[in-house]
Amino acid sequence: GAGVSQSPSNKVTEKGKDVELRCDPISGHTALYWYRQSLGQGLEFLIYFQGNSAPDKSGLPSDRFSAERTGGSVSTLTIQRTQQEDSAVYLCASSLGLSGAYEQYFGPGTRLTVT
Amino acid sequence: QQQVKQSPQSLIVQKGGISIINCAYENTAFDYFPWYQQFPGKGPALLIAIRPDVSEKKEGRFTISFNKSAKQFSLHIMDSQPGDSATYFCAASIESYGNKLVFGAGTILRVKS
Repeated sequence: GAGVSQSPSNKVTEKGKDVELRCDPISGHTALYWYRQSLGQGLEFLIYFQGNSAPDKSGLPSDRFSAERTGGSVSTLTIQRTQQEDSAVYLCASSLGLSGAYEQYFGPGTRLTVT
Repeated sequence: QQQVKQSPQSLIVQKGGISIINCAYENTAFDYFPWYQQFPGKGPALLIAIRPDVSEKKEGRFTISFNKSAKQFSLHIMDSQPGDSATYFCAASIESYGNKLVFGAGTILRVKS
């Protein structure tokens, strides 16, 4: 079946602009995660959605970052007033979200460049 | 605070040799330990994972060894092939905290043919 898809694959934006990154998880996966991969910080957790529960936002680096998940499926990560330090690859992952089914499957990522 | 320490940073192995990557963790609450493989321009792909009630898990040429008392786990790639050249990440998570993965810094593996 189809894996996790993300769009766009690349995004170049000017400092101060807002950007939206999209993630389409594997069908039937109730858990969805956003991670960021950058040269300086490696792979780091940003936010986690599980079913209809309130999201775990503990990894968001600032209040310029937000995310939503509509209908328990597609998720959008929004970065407002982008800064150069936001340049990174943003990765989305999904999993079944069931006890004993911990495997997270990653999408190809969105490479964000802030100029 | 770096919760998962990975070594070495890079590794060169001859074709047919054994590649060994090590990770150490600090938080004893971690209860899930996956390894991911990442090729340039791609997202990480799950290779193999282990839980702390098992000391070793093998899948094909890939083996995880887990030492709970030492808080260490390692990935062994047997009969390494040029196609295994990639970046490898260890990770750890806590199921009851949503399985948010904490990653090691990564190891760049190059297998020479």
